[in-house]
Amino acid sequence: KAGVTQTPRYLIKTRGQQVTLSCSPISGHRSVSWYQQTPGQGLQFLFEYFSETQRNKGNFPGRFSGRQFSNSRSEMNVSTLELGDSALYLCASSLVSVDEQFFGPGTRLTVL
Amino acid sequence: SQQGEEDPQALSIQEGENATMNCSYKTSINNLQWYRQNSGRGLVHLILIRSNEREKHSGRLRVTLDTSKKSSSLLITASRAADTASYFCATDANTGNQFYFGTGTSLTVIP
Repeated sequence: KAGVTQTPRYLIKTRGQQVTLSCSPISGHRSVSWYQQTPGQGLQFLFEYFSETQRNKGNFPGRFSGRQFSNSRSEMNVSTLELGDSALYLCASSLVSVDEQFFGPGTRLTVL
Repeated sequence: SQQGEEDPQALSIQEGENATMNCSYKTSINNLQWYRQNSGRGLVHLILIRSNEREKHSGRLRVTLDTSKKSSSLLITASRAADTASYFCATDANTGNQFYFGTGTSLTVIP
């Protein structure tokens, strides 16, 4: 079974731009969660989707948004990028609940 | 603030020694999980322990959970150089649908 895939793996943007990251979960997994990882803040929960519905949202500004499609693939979007958005963005999928999450390799976003 | 905090922040040991890292959390939980991350890559799930369990084993891993102290420990026995990684605990804070990760323990195993 293929693992969680994230595209792109690396991204360089400038302040003010927007970016869309993609995550394809493991086949059959319906829950997709997104995390931001930075050296200073560690791993922080962004949001979790299940069957195209956002079930939980972390404490991030509205510039961070996401969605999930009927095939469980998910995208997250960050608008009006700031330098502080530079981070590793990790996606994780699980069957139904988030008991055991399978993580993708992440997208490394650098904002200049 | 984050739910879980690991201690120590960094640990360096010789190959063959045991490594112990601890996690403390703040609110009641349904379960606690440990993950490993190699050098800025994705996380790998190691073990899950439920709030009604006190100890769990998986290969060279042993996890304990003390809900009265709101703490957990991860023991890696007979460490190998390949165990070099960052280790994170994650708790669900009774939400069931999201996890809070700690800041991690960076383990270095010297060959």
